[in-house]
Amino acid sequence: QVQLQESGPGLVKPSETLSLTCTVSGGSISSYYWSWIRQPPGKGLEWIGYIYYSGSTNYNPSLKSRVTISVDTSKNQFSLKLSSVTAADTAVYYCARLGIAAAGIFYYYYMDVWGKGTTVTVSS
Amino acid sequence: DIQMTQSPSSLSASVGDRVTITCRASQSISSYLNWYQQKPGKAPKLLIYAASSLQSGVPSRFSGSGSGTDFTLTISSLQPEDFATYYCQQSYSTLLFTFGPGTKVDIK
Repeated sequence: QVQLQESGPGLVKPSETLSLTCTVSGGSISSYYWSWIRQPPGKGLEWIGYIYYSGSTNYNPSLKSRVTISVDTSKNQFSLKLSSVTAADTAVYYCARLGIAAAGIFYYYYMDVWGKGTTVTVSS
Repeated sequence: DIQMTQSPSSLSASVGDRVTITCRASQSISSYLNWYQQKPGKAPKLLIYAASSLQSGVPSRFSGSGSGTDFTLTISSLQPEDFATYYCQQSYSTLLFTFGPGTKVDIK
C-alpha cells in the first residue's frame, strides 16, 4: 500500500524559501502525477501544483512565480520549494498522489493517497 | 478560473439522518468532480471521484451525483464517524484544480 510522508522545517523566516520533501513508500513514483496542497489554519484547501514522474509540472497561477516542484525518482521522492514566503504561507502542507481513471477518451483525476501533512509556520 | 461553491457551509444532523451536500461550479465541468472528507487534524480522504464513482474501501452509504454545474454528496444514514468537513474539488481544468470552501457536518 502506497504511503506518503512529508518532511522539512516547521519554521521558516519571512522572505526565505520553504522546502519540503515527500517520500513515497510501498510503491514506485513512476507512472503517476504527484501533487502538493496546503491548508492555512482554520481554512480550506488550496492546490499548489503537480509533477509527473518524468519531470513535467503544472502550478497554481497564483503561486507560479514562487513555486518549484521537482522529482527524484532514484529516491522515490518529490519536493516543493516556495520562495519569498510571508505569514500568509503559514499552513499545513500535504503531498498527494494523483490517481487517474480512464473512461473511453476521458481521464478523471483525483487525489487518492495523501500524506499526513506537515505544519509550516512563517515567522521571524 | 473555475470557482466552486458549497451549500450549506455547515449543518447539524443526528446519527441515522440522511444528509445531502451541494456543490456548484461556476461553469460546466461535466463529471470532473471529486469529494473528500476531512476530520480535524487529519489529511483529506477521497470519497467519490468522477462525480459518482465510489473510491475503494469507502462505505456504500456515501454516494455522489450530478454533472455539468450541480453536484450532490449524499450520506444515506449518518454514522458517528461521518462527522467531518466535506470538500468538493473540480478536475475539469487540469491547469488549476480548485476546491470548494467545505461543508462542516456536526452533531445535532
